[in-house]
Amino acid sequence: GQQVMQIPQYQHVQEGEDFTTYCNSSTTLSNIQWYKQRPGGHPVFLIQLVKSGEVKKQKRLTFQFGEAKKNSSLHITATQTTDVGTYFCAGYNAGNNRKLIWGLGTSLAVNP
Amino acid sequence: ETGVTQSPTHLIKTRGQQVTLRCSSQSGHNTVSWYQQALGQGPQFIFQYYREEENGRGNFPPRFSGLQFPNYSSELNVNALELDDSALYLCASSLEEGSPDTQYFGPGTRLTVL
Repeated sequence: GQQVMQIPQYQHVQEGEDFTTYCNSSTTLSNIQWYKQRPGGHPVFLIQLVKSGEVKKQKRLTFQFGEAKKNSSLHITATQTTDVGTYFCAGYNAGNNRKLIWGLGTSLAVNP
Repeated sequence: ETGVTQSPTHLIKTRGQQVTLRCSSQSGHNTVSWYQQALGQGPQFIFQYYREEENGRGNFPPRFSGLQFPNYSSELNVNALELDDSALYLCASSLEEGSPDTQYFGPGTRLTVL
């Protein structure tokens, strides 16, 4: 079945360092969404990418969708302690917009 | 806050029991999706309801069932609970059926099966 892989599983950085998480799907995606889940919380929607090669920015966060629409990345510049949490990518398989397939997430820890 | 509420917040059950979890979707949203999130895992899609009909289902056995009501609130029912059913159960509401739309998550119900 369709799988969405995310790497790394964990990342520990010093405050001010950059952070990147990568997401790869075994099949072509119609779109990809990114969520952030704080410890003890629920996933919070960050952004959706739809177009091949799309790049979107939210302040220090940069999201990319691959040309083949099978991979994506989230890059955080100059991390802050408020960035702590688990970042999930989730995608809809092209042709099935009912079942959102999630990666396992990347847990980010930031040392002050 | 997303405007999506879930009840109860926490629940403890024993093996073999049945449980009903409730979700009230964001105003104006007609689609509700349910997810199971085991500790340290990503959410797993259980099913989706659109206008009171099941609209898609993940790889969960029939003992996981649901309902959506005319006001678009929803229930998740799990029969014959197993230890592996212990997880955070999330519901998410969205505006349109089948479209790759933003999902707004509730705070979840933490279910522990002993």
